Amino acid sequence: RKEVEQDPGPFNVPEGATVAFNCTYSNSASQSFFWYRQDCRKEPKLLMSVYSSGNEDGRFTAQLNRASQYISLLIRDSKLSDSATYLCAVNEAYGQNFVFGPGTRLSVLP
Amino acid sequence: NAGVTQTPKFQVLKTGQSMTLQCAQDMNHEYMSWYRQDPGMGLRLIHYSVGAGITDQGEVPNGYNVSRSTTEDFPLRLLSAAPSQTSVYFCASSYSSLGQGGEKLFFGSGTQLSVL
Repeated sequence: RKEVEQDPGPFNVPEGATVAFNCTYSNSASQSFFWYRQDCRKEPKLLMSVYSSGNEDGRFTAQLNRASQYISLLIRDSKLSDSATYLCAVNEAYGQNFVFGPGTRLSVLP
Repeated sequence: NAGVTQTPKFQVLKTGQSMTLQCAQDMNHEYMSWYRQDPGMGLRLIHYSVGAGITDQGEVPNGYNVSRSTTEDFPLRLLSAAPSQTSVYFCASSYSSLGQGGEKLFFGSGTQLSVL
């Protein structure tokens, strides 16, 4: 079983739609959680850190459920520019070992 | 602001050849790492370093060597290239240790490596 798993894609949604991604992790000792965005043939870039209390940044909302060991990303009012692959990342307790999920591809259609 | 600089952007090797992927950062980051990204596999950690003189293995270290003689540089060496090492390679760095709010990873622009 992979340490970090994500919803298989691709997600094809119309502009303006709300879309949610889930990510599960297997290491209960994981300490930090992140969502990265990766455009085609580009490097990943941090979208949001995920905190226990949940956090929101404009149209993006991230939540963490430690009991069930998953994190989620909600995108409201999708834009064409949101089309990308979304990677979740987990940082484990004993070092700087970031583990990434395989990514979920989102295509926002006009 | 240079950030994380990776070279080369593209490389083609023949099986058995060796080469070094260069990675440099100018942000005084303690932590540096190398990932490979393959379709459907996501980013997999090859090696990482938490400071000059300290390196450790990640998930897929076989066939790769690293060293960290300075804070700025973290080269990745392929000793004898194999077709299974065809991939996109990313170098990444972050400022501080876990739990201090500095875990944001900054990535280089990547190296597309093909081994024939």
